Amino acid sequence: DGGITQSPKYLFRKEGQNVTLSCEQNLNHDAMYWYRQDPGQGLRLIYYSQIVNDFQKGDIAEGYSVSREKKESFPLTVTSAQKNPTAFYLCASSIMGITDTQYFGPGTRLTVL
Amino acid sequence: QQQVKQSPQSLIVQKGGISIINCAYENTAFDYFPWYQQFPGKGPALLIAIRPDVSEKKEGRFTISFNKSAKQFSLHIMDSQPGDSATYFCAASDGGATNKLIFGTGTLLAVQP
Repeated sequence: DGGITQSPKYLFRKEGQNVTLSCEQNLNHDAMYWYRQDPGQGLRLIYYSQIVNDFQKGDIAEGYSVSREKKESFPLTVTSAQKNPTAFYLCASSIMGITDTQYFGPGTRLTVL
Repeated sequence: QQQVKQSPQSLIVQKGGISIINCAYENTAFDYFPWYQQFPGKGPALLIAIRPDVSEKKEGRFTISFNKSAKQFSLHIMDSQPGDSATYFCAASDGGATNKLIFGTGTLLAVQP
């Protein structure tokens, strides 16, 4: 089955700890995205990557970091510098240059205690 | 300039009724307008999308109406069903080199049986 997988589904961490969220896609998509979703708010773009070994900051990149070492993988690290990290994190991917459609993974709910 | 404003925040409709969700934008460079449907605890899924060269697009019970001069677009769900109960997000993109989507804040739809 083709798609986007995110793991884990639920993640609990203590305040001050860094945590890495996994995102993998087997759709052979060029671009990948990370969004944050909070109750009553739309999806806000954290980082995006259009090609391996390259990525750009989105609207709320502070306190987050990413890497894109492989086309199919785009992990997100939530660092201790992120002041309010508890949220639902969504990964998406798309084909560049053909369609604007983004396909989303199932999400990871991060709770910082 | 980059915002997409969505209303209402929540909507209750009787089974068989019409659900209408509205969005407005400012950036005239936007040329792709998708609607996403999200069930609790899941990632958003593309429902229907439109480009500015048409004023309406229909897929089954779902219709997008687009008013380029007013910079507004709306989602109409005909014969609304309890299974349609979800959060709906409008979005906009200017395509270009990044495929970045700007999302509205979402509408929580409840269809009562």
